[in-house]
Amino acid sequence: DAGVTQSPTHLIKTRGQQVTLRCSPISGHKSVSWYQQVLGQGPQFIFQYYEKEERGRGNFPDRFSARQFPNYSSELNVNALLLGDSALYLCASSLVAGNLNTEAFFGQGTRLTVV
Amino acid sequence: QKEVEQNSGPLSVPEGAIASLNCTYSDRVSQSFFWYRQYSGKSPELIMSIYSNGDKEDGRFTAQLNKASQYVSLLIRDSQPSDSATYLCAVIQGAQKLVFGQGTRLTINP
Repeated sequence: DAGVTQSPTHLIKTRGQQVTLRCSPISGHKSVSWYQQVLGQGPQFIFQYYEKEERGRGNFPDRFSARQFPNYSSELNVNALLLGDSALYLCASSLVAGNLNTEAFFGQGTRLTVV
Repeated sequence: QKEVEQNSGPLSVPEGAIASLNCTYSDRVSQSFFWYRQYSGKSPELIMSIYSNGDKEDGRFTAQLNKASQYVSLLIRDSQPSDSATYLCAVIQGAQKLVFGQGTRLTINP
């Protein structure tokens, strides 16, 4: 079975541009979460989606948005890119949401560089 | 106080020895705890989950949880150079998100 797949793997954008990152969860998993990881830090929660509905949002500006599709894949959009948005963006797949004993598995990440 | 705290290291351990990684958390009602391994330039890989007080063993890895002390640890026995990585402790908060520590960088010296 394929794991969590993210695309693209690397991306270079200019300040002010917009970017869309994509994620396909593990087959059978219905929950997708997005995290941002800057160098030297642990991942920071951005969004969680389950059954196409937003279930949680982290402390990120409105420039960040996401959605989940009927096939449970997800997109993360970031508008008006800033230099500080440069980071590794991680998608995590889990079977369900709202279950405390749910393990989350990460994709390989998208390395975004804003110049 | 950070929600999840880890010593950033680096922690240096000789090959074959036991590596001990520690993590404390601030939310007393936390119930689910995870250890992820992250190699440089790669994404985090889940290596252990623990939900009950006590020890949980999986191969060379043992996770230990003490909810009264709000403390979770990871022991790696017979450390190998391939264990050299950053180890991230994570706690589920609000049943929806993982809160991570900053990670402990572990180096196993041959």
